[in-house]
Amino acid sequence: SYELTQPPSVSVAPGKTARITCGGDNIGSKSVHWYQQKPGQAPLLVIYSDSARPSGIPERLSGSNSGNTATLTISRAAAGDEADYYCQVWDSNAAVFGTGTRVTVL
Amino acid sequence: EVQLVQSGAEVKKPGESLKISCAGIGYSFTKSWIGWVRQMPGKGLEWMGIIFPDDSDTRYNRSFQGQVTISADKSLSTAFLQWSSLKAADTATYYCVVGGRALLNFRFDHWGPGTLVTVSS
Repeated sequence: SYELTQPPSVSVAPGKTARITCGGDNIGSKSVHWYQQKPGQAPLLVIYSDSARPSGIPERLSGSNSGNTATLTISRAAAGDEADYYCQVWDSNAAVFGTGTRVTVL
Repeated sequence: EVQLVQSGAEVKKPGESLKISCAGIGYSFTKSWIGWVRQMPGKGLEWMGIIFPDDSDTRYNRSFQGQVTISADKSLSTAFLQWSSLKAADTATYYCVVGGRALLNFRFDHWGPGTLVTVSS
């Protein structure tokens, strides 16, 4: 079955840029979606179809996808960005989530 | 505005049965895939399965096939997740999720607040 690998944690200083990777075999040929989950809350779709933002998601969050790696970029990081982030694709009639990355702003 | 209203937290004993629910409001319930995602304590997200209420077409994660049953009642605009015999390992938060009409590049546009299920003797 298809697997998506993310780093367990990423730290970023306030105002700087964080990049969260999602690795998968030829993931560039798939459509990647990203979810943000803050402590005690349900996940929220923040990026879909590699780089599109749902209504209400700030432009500071952006996505890209090529080759074997998709990337979620958080620009001008703020305390409110602290959360777990998950990538997801649809493959062979199944949804697959990445392993998740905890982003800490410090 | 899309709302997914999930049933309340449950505490059950091993071997008991359970059916939790999710009412879909504010969108075309019958024409959107609806399903369930599990999150065990302190762990990541696991897709369990989805159903298309209009024709009850259901897709399961192989890991959950035979372990749970996903269903939907069009007249109630409600989806269900049920177990016939719970195990302690079923302790988790279960999120109801809604996507679009097509499975190609499927994503979960909306999430319910989650139902915490605790299984303990």
